[in-house]
Amino acid sequence: GAVVSQHPSWVICKSGTSVKIECRSLDFQATTMFWYRQFPKQSLMLMATSNEGSKATYEQGVEKDKFLINHASLTLSTLTVTSAHPEDSSFYICSASGEYEQYFGPGTRLTVT
Amino acid sequence: GDSVTQMEGPVTLSEEAFLTINCTYTATGYPSLFWYVQYPGEGLQLLLKATKADDKGSNKGFEATYRKETTSFHLEKGSVQVSDSAVYFCALEAGKSTFGDGTTLTVKP
Repeated sequence: GAVVSQHPSWVICKSGTSVKIECRSLDFQATTMFWYRQFPKQSLMLMATSNEGSKATYEQGVEKDKFLINHASLTLSTLTVTSAHPEDSSFYICSASGEYEQYFGPGTRLTVT
Repeated sequence: GDSVTQMEGPVTLSEEAFLTINCTYTATGYPSLFWYVQYPGEGLQLLLKATKADDKGSNKGFEATYRKETTSFHLEKGSVQVSDSAVYFCALEAGKSTFGDGTTLTVKP
């Protein structure tokens, strides 16, 4: 099946710094990618929809200036958490739309100290 | 908007027991329905799916049938194993995905 990778798989950063997370579709092209956030023992919350070559569409309540999304190619989308704070600590998961279904990345665990 | 309601957990079963995790949905149109499984510290893996009414998705002994009349997509397995212990998410997709809250399954030997 199709493979989606995320990098890094985990990251620890200091409060106030920015962190970039990459999401790549390894063996297919994805016009659309999605970014989710998952808190411990909770469901996935859609943060934004990323379309190649255009601006991301953010869900209500998600700060677009804090969570910068770039989808510069058909195989790569990036999420940058700017000026990170401890409350941004979470598990971030991306997915890429294939022909028939979404394919999920393994997730990135962000810890802000 | 679209929503998915899953049976609350956690669910604890003995090995070889029968499993049912209920899932109902609300959506406009005709969404595709999915069950995903998440093992500790990992991302989501697609377990099975159904794209239209009366379709049955199946994989690894798990089954779920797309019931339009009851707007349900219940997950079943006849005999669970310890290795099935994980969190299970029901989801619908209609342009974007909407997930249920997840049900934690623990299977004891």
